[in-house]
Amino acid sequence: GNSVTQMEGPVTLSEEAFLTINCTYTATGYPSLFWYVQYPGEGLQLLLKATKADDKGSNKGFEATYRKETTSFHLEKGSVQVSDSAVYFCALSALGGADGLTFGKGTHLIIQP
Amino acid sequence: EAEVAQSPRYKITEKSQAVAFWCDPISGHATLYWYRQILGQGPELLVQFQDESVVDDSQLPKDRFSAERLKGVDSTLKIQPAELGDSAMYLCASSSTLHPYEQYFGPGTRLTVT
Repeated sequence: GNSVTQMEGPVTLSEEAFLTINCTYTATGYPSLFWYVQYPGEGLQLLLKATKADDKGSNKGFEATYRKETTSFHLEKGSVQVSDSAVYFCALSALGGADGLTFGKGTHLIIQP
Repeated sequence: EAEVAQSPRYKITEKSQAVAFWCDPISGHATLYWYRQILGQGPELLVQFQDESVVDDSQLPKDRFSAERLKGVDSTLKIQPAELGDSAMYLCASSSTLHPYEQYFGPGTRLTVT
């Protein structure tokens, strides 16, 4: 079956540090890949997506590249801010967005001033 | 900005009781999803609707859970009887046919079974 594995948290960084949250997946075929973010007290929001191999999704300074050869979709940001503190979920869609998402367990990111 | 609405936001119930959650998707969104999120885990799909039809309910515990979307708009998820292990956040999401990749999530219903 389909599955997503992401690094466990919490991840604690200082403001302006470089961020990487690792995500790898297992799926048949060619899934679409997503990062969702959940800020404290808010619902899940789509952060970025990539629908085919070598695509790069980007939004709000965050980036992730769909690497088919390593089945990975790592989330990166060059300089984090306190406002980036949230829980980040990696997810996949096996049927091009026509199915429900398979999520990882989430990574809690804490940015200290 | 249009949002997915869910109610109630919080529900406490005793085991063996019945409980129901309601979701109103973004207007015009044909696809509706119910997910369950256990504390410390990622959401897991329970059921997917396309208009009023069930597309995928393979992970729905059908002995106690039921879901309906009678007119293809809002939806109700029911648990009867509730068990202690059902304590979780129940999330509703919707997406449009034009942009199926973008699922919009509601704030969720936090269920506590005592």
